[in-house]
Amino acid sequence: GAVVSQHPSRVICKSGTSVKIECRSLDFQATTMFWYRQFPKQSLMLMATSNEGSKATYEQGVEKDKFLINHASLTLSTLTVTSAHPEDSSFYICSATRLAGNYNEQFFGPGTRLTVL
Amino acid sequence: RKEVEQDPGPFNVPEGATVAFNCTYSNSASQSFFWYRQDCRKEPKLLMSVYSSGNEDGRFTAQLNRASQYISLLIRDSKLSDSATYLCVVNRGNNDMRFGAGTRLTVKP
Repeated sequence: GAVVSQHPSRVICKSGTSVKIECRSLDFQATTMFWYRQFPKQSLMLMATSNEGSKATYEQGVEKDKFLINHASLTLSTLTVTSAHPEDSSFYICSATRLAGNYNEQFFGPGTRLTVL
Repeated sequence: RKEVEQDPGPFNVPEGATVAFNCTYSNSASQSFFWYRQDCRKEPKLLMSVYSSGNEDGRFTAQLNRASQYISLLIRDSKLSDSATYLCVVNRGNNDMRFGAGTRLTVKP
């Protein structure tokens, strides 16, 4: 079954509104989660690393004031796209690492498809 | 130059064919390597890890050549259900994963 959930799965909003996307790890705690963005027919691009209890680390070119990340607990990270515009329309995917001794595996959420009109 | 490069394809093959995908990476300090499968409009899912000794999982064989910074995936006896995009993924460390753009495979009857 799924080990990482995302909500909502699909959002359609008007330009200028803010959208919050939740990422939850199920059955395990994740001190670090990752947020990716994928445009059609392109690869996943890492946007930021979300750290529980501290500030997120953003990749070069990603505006931290536009993409607000809050990792308030060990099982929840949120990404808020502020003042969304049509160019922000994309597939947003989060991931979390489940640790198991020397082996760890990164699990992806099912993604959130954002369409900004 | 992209950190992880893949031939985007598409690869169109008949059922039963053998198909190979290649991937190169530029960061020599990369620590671990994976192939993920992504179906249309879905999240990526781990297909297999890639080890220097090579590893096999059923019809799938993955190889890593650290000296050449090259990763491969071989699929034997292709099935219709193998149609998907295959992503080469490199872990830089601390689970900082870098993705290739993916290679699209279509298996036809």
